[in-house]
Amino acid sequence: RKEVEQDPGPFNVPEGATVAFNCTYSNSASQSFFWYRQDCRKEPKLLMSVYSSGNEDGRFTAQLNRASQYISLLIRDSKLSDSATYLCVARLRGFKTIFGAGTRLFVKA
Amino acid sequence: DGGITQSPKYLFRKEGQNVTLSCEQNLNHDAMYWYRQDPGQGLRLIYYSQIVNDFQKGDIAEGYSVSREKKESFPLTVTSAQKNPTAFYLCASSAQGDIQYFGAGTRLSVL
Repeated sequence: RKEVEQDPGPFNVPEGATVAFNCTYSNSASQSFFWYRQDCRKEPKLLMSVYSSGNEDGRFTAQLNRASQYISLLIRDSKLSDSATYLCVARLRGFKTIFGAGTRLFVKA
Repeated sequence: DGGITQSPKYLFRKEGQNVTLSCEQNLNHDAMYWYRQDPGQGLRLIYYSQIVNDFQKGDIAEGYSVSREKKESFPLTVTSAQKNPTAFYLCASSAQGDIQYFGAGTRLSVL
């Protein structure tokens, strides 16, 4: 079983749609969580950290459920520019960081 | 500008050749990392360094070597022992225990 699992997609949605991604992690010792965005053939870039209380950044909302060991990302009012691969990331104590394989999103006009 | 610089952007390796990928950061970060990404897969940790003159193996260190002689620099050598080196190599840095920031990557192919 992968330590961080994501649905690879692709998710194909029209502009303006709301889309949600889930991610599960297996190591209950994971301490912090992040969503990164990776454009085709580019490096991953931090989208947002994920806090236990849930957090929002504009059209993006992240949630963490420690009891069920999953993380979610909600994107409202999708834009064409949101098309990318979204990586779910769990960090254990110290340095060790586990990246999911990513969920691909295509937003269509 | 502060950031992480990887070079070259593209690299070709001949069979039996060692090649070195450069990673330099001016963010004053203590920790640096090397990852490998294959199509459709997540990032896999090759080596990491939490402080100058110290580094640790990650999950897939075989066939690779690193050095950390300066805080700013963490070069990765892909040796001839790495039989499947074609991949996208990403260098990252972080303040200790903090968010990782990535360089633009190096694409390595085998001739």
